[in-house]
Amino acid sequence: DIQMTQSPSSLSASVGDRVTITCQATQGIINSLNWYQQKPGKAPKLLIYDASNLETGVPSRFSGSGSGTDFTFTISSLQPEDIATYYCQQDDNLRTFGQGTKVEIK
Amino acid sequence: QVQLQESGPGLVKPSETLSLTCTVSGGSVSSGSYYWSWIRQPPGKGLEWIGYIYYTGSTNYNPSLKSRVTISVDTSRNHFSLKLNSVTAADTAVYYCARARRSYHYEALDYWGQGTLVTVSS
Repeated sequence: DIQMTQSPSSLSASVGDRVTITCQATQGIINSLNWYQQKPGKAPKLLIYDASNLETGVPSRFSGSGSGTDFTFTISSLQPEDIATYYCQQDDNLRTFGQGTKVEIK
Repeated sequence: QVQLQESGPGLVKPSETLSLTCTVSGGSVSSGSYYWSWIRQPPGKGLEWIGYIYYTGSTNYNPSLKSRVTISVDTSRNHFSLKLNSVTAADTAVYYCARARRSYHYEALDYWGQGTLVTVSS
């Protein structure tokens, strides 16, 4: 099974900061990596698919990159409404989520 | 606009079977462009993929749950269902149904239900 390791597990940043989250797969998954945002009490929301493609309607401050085993998710300028937990998910072999990164405002 | 809605008992006794249904509106479970998925989230924890079904009835399950899980689809009612047998307290979670949009080179969960909390307790 493919395992996904996200880091950090939590972070605190100021409004306007650049925020980066990484996700590492235990084996190569080409570009089969998605990123989701989950706010408390809500269902997850798709932000990035196929490693770097922005879902329709998602603000351009969100971006993704990477291929193979190492992936990065970036918020270019953190906004108060971005407070949430972010998950990566691979769809190369079965489906696996990372453990999540909780993003808070400093 | 596609909407998904989970329904089923919120309380299940240990050793019994958890049964949930996801009703799809604004779209068809018979479309070949999607997988229909179940994901769960224990309180305060992360997301766990349970499995998915294609409109043909083809399924794929999380190996850790495979022996206890059945996902089925009813195209006439435009819904799909989850059964998880022999439940324990560890199966207490918010259960989400979701649509996985698929193309030849990617797949992503683009629409989700609101989730339903299922508690396993006597």
